[in-house]
Amino acid sequence: DVVLTQTPPTLSATIGQSVSISCRSSQSLLHSNGNTYLHWLLQRPGQSPQLLIYSVSRLESGVPNRFSGSGSGTDFTLKISGVEAEDLGVYYCVQGTHAPWTFGGGTKLELK
Amino acid sequence: EVQLVETGGGLVQPGKSLKLTCATSGFTFSNAWMDWVRQSPEKQLEWVAQIKDKSNNYATYYAESVKGRFTISRDDSKSSVYLQMNSLKEEDTAIYYCTWVMDAWGQGASVTVSS
Repeated sequence: DVVLTQTPPTLSATIGQSVSISCRSSQSLLHSNGNTYLHWLLQRPGQSPQLLIYSVSRLESGVPNRFSGSGSGTDFTLKISGVEAEDLGVYYCVQGTHAPWTFGGGTKLELK
Repeated sequence: EVQLVETGGGLVQPGKSLKLTCATSGFTFSNAWMDWVRQSPEKQLEWVAQIKDKSNNYATYYAESVKGRFTISRDDSKSSVYLQMNSLKEEDTAIYYCTWVMDAWGQGASVTVSS
């Protein structure tokens, strides 16, 4: 199975600060059809995960544009440009290129 | 509005069975591929099972950790997907979510396996 390694495991930020989360894959996530199925989820405290970004860089409907995703192959990054209080929670990367779906270990974003 | 609602969780002894139901609305369920994902008490997410749609012969897939013990099924007339869990082990303790291609998630059903 594909292993996704997220860093850092914990991120402390102040409101307005920009932060980045890394997700590295044990193998390339470029599918034979040319797409890359690397997505980002946010799980707020006490809630279910929600999709933020799909296929590396595409924002899910309703997600603020302070969120952005980038990367290719095995290295991917989620960036938040100006953290807001509602952004606190645990971020997970997840891949769907190679069966089965696998998830990163999560990055907890907390207030400094 | 897309909604997924899981029911059927609870406390069960090792070796026993439990069946989860995920009732959905707000999208064309009959065309949807549906998954079950679980989250351990340590908060790690793990994909459990997938069922494809009729055009893909309702093909099913399972994580190695549950293969032979869990069965995913669906009823398109009820827009529902199910997870039959047999021979439960303590390590199956988790919150179980149904999800539609990671885009929509239910609120989760808590399953605790303990004697």
